[in-house]
Amino acid sequence: DIVMTQSPESLTVSLGERATINCKSSQSVLFGANNQNFLAWYQQKPGQPPKLLIYWASTRVSGVPDRFSGGGSGTNFTLTISSLQAEDVALYHCQQYYRSPYTFGQGTNLEI
Amino acid sequence: QVQLQESGPGLVKPSETLSLTCDVSGYSISGGYYWGWIRQSPGKGLQWIGSIFHSGFTYYNPSLQSRVSISIDTSKNQFSLKLTSLTAADTAIYYCARRSGTYGWFDSWGQGTLVTVSS
Repeated sequence: DIVMTQSPESLTVSLGERATINCKSSQSVLFGANNQNFLAWYQQKPGQPPKLLIYWASTRVSGVPDRFSGGGSGTNFTLTISSLQAEDVALYHCQQYYRSPYTFGQGTNLEI
Repeated sequence: QVQLQESGPGLVKPSETLSLTCDVSGYSISGGYYWGWIRQSPGKGLQWIGSIFHSGFTYYNPSLQSRVSISIDTSKNQFSLKLTSLTAADTAIYYCARRSGTYGWFDSWGQGTLVTVSS
């Protein structure tokens, strides 16, 4: 299985400041044929299911604010929130879909 | 807009079988896409259980494959999960979700249902 490791486990950031979450895969999730990274990010607020934010490592889902951005390639990825808002408090997960079984990181708890 | 809703027992005894159903509305389950189950144990990350296509093609997480079965009923626009030989380690919130048509991200999720395995 591809192991996904997120860091930090918990992150406290002030309103308006930048938040960066890291995700590392145990093997590359970059598919050479289409030069795409098979990596997604989800946001999960308390009592709610995960919500897809980003796929292909950097493509935002329609309606997701542009303060959210994804970056990285190969085995190292980041989710950045450029200016933290109160509604961004949540648990964030990365997921690889390069190979079955699909696997998720353990989650990063983002607080203000 | 597609909506998914899980249903099933909240409490199951050890060694018994868990049966959950996911009702899909706002989209025909026969229209494409894969459909899947994902669980989240208390204090742990998400674990993909398995997925099914409308044709009935299934694929499972090898760590659960010997105990899991997913089926689909296109006439009722729903799909189901069976997990056998339950232990306390299977206590989790179980989500049903729609997988992207071609690739493996999950773009729509049910609200989830908490299943507790306890005698």
